[in-house]
Amino acid sequence: DVQLLESGGGLVQPGGSLRLSCAASGFTFSNYAMTWVRQAPGKGLEWVSSISGSGGTTYYADSVKGQFTISRDNSKNTFYLQMNSLRAEDTALYYCAKGGLSCGTITCFEYWGQGTLVTVSS
Amino acid sequence: QAVLTQPSSLSASPGASASLTCTLRSGINVGAYRIYWFQQKPGSPPQYLLRYNSDSDKQQGSGVPSRFSGSKHASANAGILLISGLQSEDEADYYCMIWHNSAWVFGGGTKLTVL
Repeated sequence: DVQLLESGGGLVQPGGSLRLSCAASGFTFSNYAMTWVRQAPGKGLEWVSSISGSGGTTYYADSVKGQFTISRDNSKNTFYLQMNSLRAEDTALYYCAKGGLSCGTITCFEYWGQGTLVTVSS
Repeated sequence: QAVLTQPSSLSASPGASASLTCTLRSGINVGAYRIYWFQQKPGSPPQYLLRYNSDSDKQQGSGVPSRFSGSKHASANAGILLISGLQSEDEADYYCMIWHNSAWVFGGGTKLTVL
């Protein structure tokens, strides 16, 4: 079974940093792009970033470009979101999802983690 | 103007059909996009329902009942999620999404109430 498990969320002060992790299992991790999506409390879904299977191609939402960095370690079946200069508006539940690139040939977004909560507050 | 616009809420009766719309911004042609649909219930991650581009290019999520289907309304420049035979368990938030200008874009979501 495909499983995605996020970790690394927590309370951080404005201007601080956090690194989120998403550990994957149940599929050949390096064959798939992966994606971060966030949801602010009581709000809708917002795509954050996607990374290709090799890690060589990345995409970011304009709202986080230059602030967040997505990466992956295929030897650990894990991908990451490094979040710097955090602001109150980055407060959200951060989900990881399987897929996100080359979605014409594979099923994307069929699997999601349960999310990890990031709270930016002083 | 947002790239994707969804009505904030919709109500329908059990057993009836509900048509959820996802309207693309003027200048963005619905014919050129695969539209993804997700269902989200409180306290749960989104669930992938289906993607729809055309009748020859569509995909149903694993285990998603056939009473969930997708279509497009070209003249309205909109994607449609049709839910037939509404059940109480269909009460949820529904989101559409497209890949546009090298980014995934979500609609604002529609809260479907079944009453």
